[in-house]
Amino acid sequence: DAGVTQSPTHLIKTRGQQVTLRCSPKSGHDTVSWYQQALGQGPQFIFQYYEEEERQRGNFPDRFSGHQFPNYSSELNVNALLLGDSALYLCASSLLTASTDTQYFGPGTRLTVL
Amino acid sequence: KNQVEQSPQSLIILEGKNCTLQCNYTVSPFSNLRWYKQDTGRGPVSLTIMTFSENTKSNGRYTATLDADTKQSSLHITASQLSDSASYICVVTLRNDYKLSFGAGTTVTVRA
Repeated sequence: DAGVTQSPTHLIKTRGQQVTLRCSPKSGHDTVSWYQQALGQGPQFIFQYYEEEERQRGNFPDRFSGHQFPNYSSELNVNALLLGDSALYLCASSLLTASTDTQYFGPGTRLTVL
Repeated sequence: KNQVEQSPQSLIILEGKNCTLQCNYTVSPFSNLRWYKQDTGRGPVSLTIMTFSENTKSNGRYTATLDADTKQSSLHITASQLSDSASYICVVTLRNDYKLSFGAGTTVTVRA
């Protein structure tokens, strides 16, 4: 039973570029949430996807967009990268109907913007 | 202002000793509170989850407590090991809202 997987592990981009991060949820999970974690900080909620639609969104600009596919996997896209976008990006999966279920996190993608 | 505050920000303890981490939250209405352990550069791993009606939950050497009246939680680590060195994050979920509110974490360093 595979856990949450993310790719790539590390990524280096320059300002103004665009990036796509990928996430495959834990088997049996239908909901994917994305978080941004700056160094020394707790994760900040970006958005959550269920049934291929964005259910909730945190306080992030429209440069951050996402997508969920029929197999429940998800992508996070960030356009016009800024230096401040450098962070660990975490994907977490859960089962929507189980409100007390633990969200399982992937290992994260470390994005560095130069 | 963060609605989940953790203290201390960091602490150093000797191997074999105990320690207690604190979490205060203001989010409401409350659904559940979770403690996660996060190794450097890795994703968080769940330790405990407590609902409104639970006031203690254990997972091996980790014991979490919850006082929903005062909106406080603690995580107690017993007989610490070097592998306990990590960041411990308190996470609160609102009722009818699946968005999680994260604390900034407490960084624990266990030294031999």
